[in-house]
Amino acid sequence: AQSVTQLGSHVSVSEGALVLLRCNYSSSVPPYLFWYVQYPNQGLQLLLKYTSAATLVKGINGFEAEFKKSETSFHLTKPSAHMSDAAEYFCAVSPPNTGNQFYFGTGTSLTVIP
Amino acid sequence: DGGITQSPKYLFRKEGQNVTLSCEQNLNHDAMYWYRQDPGQGLRLIYYSQIVNDFQKGDIAEGYSVSREKKESFPLTVTSAQKNPTAFYLCASSLSSYGYTFGSGTRLTVV
Repeated sequence: AQSVTQLGSHVSVSEGALVLLRCNYSSSVPPYLFWYVQYPNQGLQLLLKYTSAATLVKGINGFEAEFKKSETSFHLTKPSAHMSDAAEYFCAVSPPNTGNQFYFGTGTSLTVIP
Repeated sequence: DGGITQSPKYLFRKEGQNVTLSCEQNLNHDAMYWYRQDPGQGLRLIYYSQIVNDFQKGDIAEGYSVSREKKESFPLTVTSAQKNPTAFYLCASSLSSYGYTFGSGTRLTVV
């Protein structure tokens, strides 16, 4: 069975500091991997995705994530946090050859301290 | 612009009442999904549909029903059998394993 683990349900960083949100997956075959962002009372917006091309993926709003097969990880980073980055972040996996099956992590709430 | 439209944005339901949440997409996506979101619990899959006139139960289908008569539309009915319906409901669609597109959500409250 697939699973996605997001370490830390709440993360706080100071404005201008590094943002690191962790995501680990369990799969015998490298899946497709995604990060989504959700602002209050809104739907989820795709930040970036890994689909077996380059292991370092750049997304919107200055975020990037690196796929590390040996660690089964897909951590999300941003060099310098901005107040507007405060939101809920979800990691998701889609195993290959399973059609459109997605599995979401439980989310990480990011707070940015001025 | 292509996208997913959920309506209404806010919905209030009385005890014992059925309500229907609308989800329409103009992305020509084959698959559509309904998720329920509660604070601290992430997204839980209610129902999904890969093609028209076919749908499958997700992890928490009890108390909910869906239909998929048109490719563009995937309405969700919250029935009186759902004992704790207050939540944020999200509809999504996808064409392949390259990502979901989400609607802006419907917040349902029991009054």
